[in-house]
Amino acid sequence: GAVVSQHPSRVICKSGTSVKIECRSLDFQATTMFWYRQFPKQSLMLMATSNEGSKATYEQGVEKDKFLINHASLTLSTLTVTSAHPEDSSFYICSASLIQGGSYEQYFGPGTRLTVT
Amino acid sequence: LAKTTQPISMDSYEGQEVNITCSHNNIATNDYITWYQQFPSQGPRFIIQGYKTKVTNEVASLFIPADRKSSTLSLPRVSLSDTAVYYCLVGGGYGGATNKLIFGTGTLLAVQP
Repeated sequence: GAVVSQHPSRVICKSGTSVKIECRSLDFQATTMFWYRQFPKQSLMLMATSNEGSKATYEQGVEKDKFLINHASLTLSTLTVTSAHPEDSSFYICSASLIQGGSYEQYFGPGTRLTVT
Repeated sequence: LAKTTQPISMDSYEGQEVNITCSHNNIATNDYITWYQQFPSQGPRFIIQGYKTKVTNEVASLFIPADRKSSTLSLPRVSLSDTAVYYCLVGGGYGGATNKLIFGTGTLLAVQP
């Protein structure tokens, strides 16, 4: 149980185009979903918190107009990188939060490798 | 959010027990302690979570002292496939201010034959 999927697993796009990444919780309804970005040999950096039916909460320094997040249902969140540039090339990872007992447990997707040329 | 501190890297040999300690001096009452494992180009994988004392599952044990200002992940008899980055995170307690997790630098565990 507690499986999170991401689609696509990797994408190459041209500079100036937009790319959408999907995150799905396959066997549970997530109270919250999170989006992270990870550059080579670095740790995960939290970009935003996504709650179903409400606006996402972005971390300081993350442009909300560039990284559009839509949380359409309790099992689906999407991240759209608008007008992508080479510096947006990174590994994007989502996670979904599940309440277990007295705590939240986060389960991560496999990640999406974005390359902007 | 509580900040965590863990060693940047550790080396071990196959078959040995590995203990990775994490410091979290500012842990809040509602915070849980969670450890994740990450292989290159993959999302982190949940290993174990605890609040206090000792927790054990099929892959690891987690030791948490009474003051909860640190925790130790114990991996019994590691193999080459355990080579990965291990992250210690605090937070996620139900009823806490937030359930978001902030990743620290992690510990790169290198297991040699």
